[in-house]
Amino acid sequence: GENVEQHPSTLSVQEGDSAVIKCTYSDSASNYFPWYKQELGKRPQLIIDIRSNVGEKKDQRIAVTLNKTAKHFSLHITETQPEDSAVYFCAASSGGSNYKLTFGKGTLLTVNP
Amino acid sequence: DAGVIQSPRHEVTEMGQEVTLRCKPISGHDYLFWYRQTMMRGLELLIYFNNNVPIDDSGMPEDRFSAKMPNASFSTLKIQPSEPRDSAVYFCASSLSTGELFFGEGSRLTVL
Repeated sequence: GENVEQHPSTLSVQEGDSAVIKCTYSDSASNYFPWYKQELGKRPQLIIDIRSNVGEKKDQRIAVTLNKTAKHFSLHITETQPEDSAVYFCAASSGGSNYKLTFGKGTLLTVNP
Repeated sequence: DAGVIQSPRHEVTEMGQEVTLRCKPISGHDYLFWYRQTMMRGLELLIYFNNNVPIDDSGMPEDRFSAKMPNASFSTLKIQPSEPRDSAVYFCASSLSTGELFFGEGSRLTVL
């Protein structure tokens, strides 16, 4: 089955700095890669996703890059703010389906004011 | 729409008891998922349904776990008998074919 590795497990940055979280996956058939943000005690919420026919996608301060050859994808957050502090999860589809997602273990991002 | 609704939000029970978690998906969504979240194992997909039909239950830990979706607006996840290692937050999520998951607020289960 699909295996998704996520690094780092914790990340602390100063407000205004950039943050980068990286994930690797194992299933070469994976074609959908979403990122979810989970604030403490809350539900996970989608912040950005990318499909395998695209190499990069941006949405304001958030961007995701995908390298299908190397089987890795990354989340980039620029100009971080304290409200960006949360756990971020990457995920990859498996079994050729968009719906069966395997999640990484998560990255606790702390943005210090 | 109120979003995905789960109940109960918190459940504390004793080992051996039956636990039933409930979920109402977003109206019109044709996919429903049950996830379990723990510190050690992260977010794990237990089972998912499409148009009320179970598609993949390979993540269900063992026979003590069962899930049903009798209609498009209701699903249950049952654990019988419960064990302390089942303690976790159980999330229900629904989606359309686009793939974005809309999670409920979760049911925090503690088995003593």
